[in-house]
Amino acid sequence: EPEVTQTPSHQVTQMGQEVILRCVPISNHLYFYWYRQILGQKVEFLVSFYNNEISEKSEIFDDQFSVERPDGSNFTLKIRSTKLEDSAMYFCASSEEQGWETQYFGPGTRLLVL
Amino acid sequence: AQSVTQPDIHITVSEGASLELRCNYSYGATPYLFWYVQSPGQGLQLLLKYFSGDTLVQGIKGFEAEFKRSQSSFNLRKPSVHWSDAAEYFCAVVNGGATNKLIFGTGTLLAVQP
Repeated sequence: EPEVTQTPSHQVTQMGQEVILRCVPISNHLYFYWYRQILGQKVEFLVSFYNNEISEKSEIFDDQFSVERPDGSNFTLKIRSTKLEDSAMYFCASSEEQGWETQYFGPGTRLLVL
Repeated sequence: AQSVTQPDIHITVSEGASLELRCNYSYGATPYLFWYVQSPGQGLQLLLKYFSGDTLVQGIKGFEAEFKRSQSSFNLRKPSVHWSDAAEYFCAVVNGGATNKLIFGTGTLLAVQP
């Protein structure tokens, strides 16, 4: 069964450093998402991406964040200058279409900013 | 604004006992509702979803959920819990906006005792 994959599984970085989280969505999917879950809190939407551009972003997704689909398979989330409060589990998801189509989630990347 | 409430933060049941996890939503139109499960160290796995039609929805691993519009609820049930069901369970609703982002509840952590 096809699945969404994410690398790395864990990332530790120093405050102010740049990090890139990588995702490989399911191959025939067209819509891509990033969510995050701060420890002990709910899963929150960050951004959605379709047709090589951002469709929607939350207020969390400020100028420090960017997304990119550099080739036909990868989907990345970049945090330009990490802050302590960026420590969280970051989930990538993809769906074949939007609307009521199921979003399939990757296993997540746990980011720790020191 | 759309929202999801899971009133139970933590539930403990005995193996073999029945289970009901509560979920209430706030949404103006007919909601698209989902239940996801997150096992320790794993990503979010879809258990079941409701879009329309029969209000009793069957999912994987023996789970079912019932949509009750009058109560704005979408409770998850299982007649007999197995130890492997210990995990965190998230109810979510599709926002219905530009990209149909998922809005999650805070989750219910299920513990199963022998």
